[in-house]
Amino acid sequence: DAKTTQPPSMDCAEGRAANLPCNHSTISGNEYVYWYRQIHSQGPQYIIHGLKNNETNEMASLIITEDRKSSTLILPHATLRDTAVYYCIVRVGGSQGNLIFGKGTKLSVKP
Amino acid sequence: GAVVSQHPSWVICKSGTSVKIECRSLDFQATTMFWYRQFPKQSLMLMATSNEGSKATYEQGVEKDKFLINHASLTLSTLTVTSAHPEDSSFYICSAIFTNGYNEQFFGPGTRLTVL
Repeated sequence: DAKTTQPPSMDCAEGRAANLPCNHSTISGNEYVYWYRQIHSQGPQYIIHGLKNNETNEMASLIITEDRKSSTLILPHATLRDTAVYYCIVRVGGSQGNLIFGKGTKLSVKP
Repeated sequence: GAVVSQHPSWVICKSGTSVKIECRSLDFQATTMFWYRQFPKQSLMLMATSNEGSKATYEQGVEKDKFLINHASLTLSTLTVTSAHPEDSSFYICSAIFTNGYNEQFFGPGTRLTVL
């Protein structure tokens, strides 16, 4: 079973920041948090991952709380092309472990 | 990022026939690949873990004799749906672990299987 819970859906205005929350209260000390997104009828796309420190790349920022029980993915300037299902995943089984997908959050970016 | 391809992107077949889906890592070698299945409006469900040169490990409830997995090389894993039935119609997605420092997992574009 997935170790994460996310809101089923969120809306965001185009050009504004999208903040997607994720709870992972049972995460273990050496388990990473990964974020992927899936645009309709495509394979999931990697966004970002982190362990305990906040991370930023060209796509997004990942903010992880100090107790690691929750995190937030931030898309700084959402565009219509960011409309997708976003999955927050706790990777189990170490560096070769698989990804167990939950239901994700359907983000709708509106003009 | 690393690229994973799948072939075919979609396939329609008659009930009772077998269908083979290929998953390739194009610019890296992958000792571990995964196969997922996704039904409409649902999340991805892990079917099996494929390791190069060894037998695949199937998730509970997935019939290994129906979904044959062969990971014969470091860049190719195949999934064969044997004696396909309409209930096997689904979106099949593979992924491969890119063995860099973070062992990121990259996904293929998926294969839409429709069984008539």
